[in-house]
Amino acid sequence: EADIYQTPRYLVIGTGKKITLECSQTMGHDKMYWYQQDPGMELHLIHYSYGVNSTEKGDLSSESTVSRIRTEHFPLTLESARPSHTSQYLCASSSSDRNTEAFFGQGTRLTVV
Amino acid sequence: AQSVSQHNHHVILSEAASLELGCNYSYGGTVNLFWYVQYPGQHLQLLLKYFSGDPLVKGIKGFEAEFIKSKFSFNLRKPSVQWSDTAEYFCAVDIMNRDDKIIFGKGTRLHILP
Repeated sequence: EADIYQTPRYLVIGTGKKITLECSQTMGHDKMYWYQQDPGMELHLIHYSYGVNSTEKGDLSSESTVSRIRTEHFPLTLESARPSHTSQYLCASSSSDRNTEAFFGQGTRLTVV
Repeated sequence: AQSVSQHNHHVILSEAASLELGCNYSYGGTVNLFWYVQYPGQHLQLLLKYFSGDPLVKGIKGFEAEFIKSKFSFNLRKPSVQWSDTAEYFCAVDIMNRDDKIIFGKGTRLHILP
């Protein structure tokens, strides 16, 4: 069982609100990722981090921002939510060892109304 | 740009049928390869992985995959599927270069008829 947790699991929020999606892992992994996945669609990498104070934009442009102040914590923030942000957000982490897989959290399903 | 292509978006099979899901990637350097599965309502789980060595790798639940470097492919196979294999399957590639990020394919939704 992977020790990576996302909260909340489900969130319904009004347009214009600021939201933060939490992601924490207890495996000591250096690398962490945020993916966006619409129902039945592919996973798009929107942010990743190699370690504390390291953040990079992914392949899909996103209005969200991330921070990595602690190794175990990689929150994602939307300053002003819009209906176009409605999606599922998946957090993952992996070791910086060369041959390792990524572990995924349960995901946060966000609906902006 | 690097990409991962899964040829089948939706596959419907009867129980006991054989399965092969295609996956190709576009990167000429060193890669690690994965297949993940997402059962309905659950999180992504690792099915199998390839790092090096024997190009035929075996995973959980009777799945296997073969890495063919010359074809940039990593196809997933199972000789006899079960109803419980109904899920979405994602091929993923870890590009082992300076960026070192994991890229996913669009996924294949597999539906097994009982």
